[in-house]
Amino acid sequence: QSALTQPASVSGSPGQSITISCTGTSSDVGFYNLVSWYQQYPGEAPKLIIYEVNKRPSGVSDRFSGSKSGNTASLTISGLQAEDEADYYCCSHAGDTTFFWVFGGGTKLTVL
Amino acid sequence: QITLKESGPTLVKPTQTLTLTCTFSGFSLNTAGLGVGWIRQPPGKALEWLALIYWDDDKRYSPSLKSRLSITKDTSKNQVVLTMTNVDPVDTGTYFCVHSTVTGTLSFDYWGQGSLVTVSS
Repeated sequence: QSALTQPASVSGSPGQSITISCTGTSSDVGFYNLVSWYQQYPGEAPKLIIYEVNKRPSGVSDRFSGSKSGNTASLTISGLQAEDEADYYCCSHAGDTTFFWVFGGGTKLTVL
Repeated sequence: QITLKESGPTLVKPTQTLTLTCTFSGFSLNTAGLGVGWIRQPPGKALEWLALIYWDDDKRYSPSLKSRLSITKDTSKNQVVLTMTNVDPVDTGTYFCVHSTVTGTLSFDYWGQGSLVTVSS
């Protein structure tokens, strides 16, 4: 299976909004409303920040939001803060009769 | 409070079999809807989903690695074991154990700290 496609890097200034895209196919992102996003700091385990396309787990800032259109999902971070600088990964359910999961290649967010 | 912790060898020789154990607390794999899986990350690279086992013993594997992987559970010990055969240096990386639910977030909502495995002769 192929990994989902994410930009390698994005950047923004404090207070701005940025969007990270995650492009898959009609067999994964386009088929299931089961896209999740994870935030990872260097040397740490990833943390779930968005699930089922646009839902936030308890405790996650409402500055993080998710959406999906066709085969592309997106993560938007508004009011960018220095602490948002991290790697971000999307993930989607995939497959039909034998479902599995597939991750994106990851996006490094730099807060300027 | 849900916690997961990975354990296993830090160094494995090529062609050998890697066995990793995830010991968890705060939930039981006898509970309907719950699952425990494995995700790995080569140094400096992206996450890769490997396998997941559900409370009902349903097992899911990465299509590209299915022939080399086996996942089992021991509910009495609160453990899930991942076995990977015929390892290669490209299998070097940090292996994470994760909690998942079909009734909750349908994603990986709790993660272990990770276990670094190096494949080298």
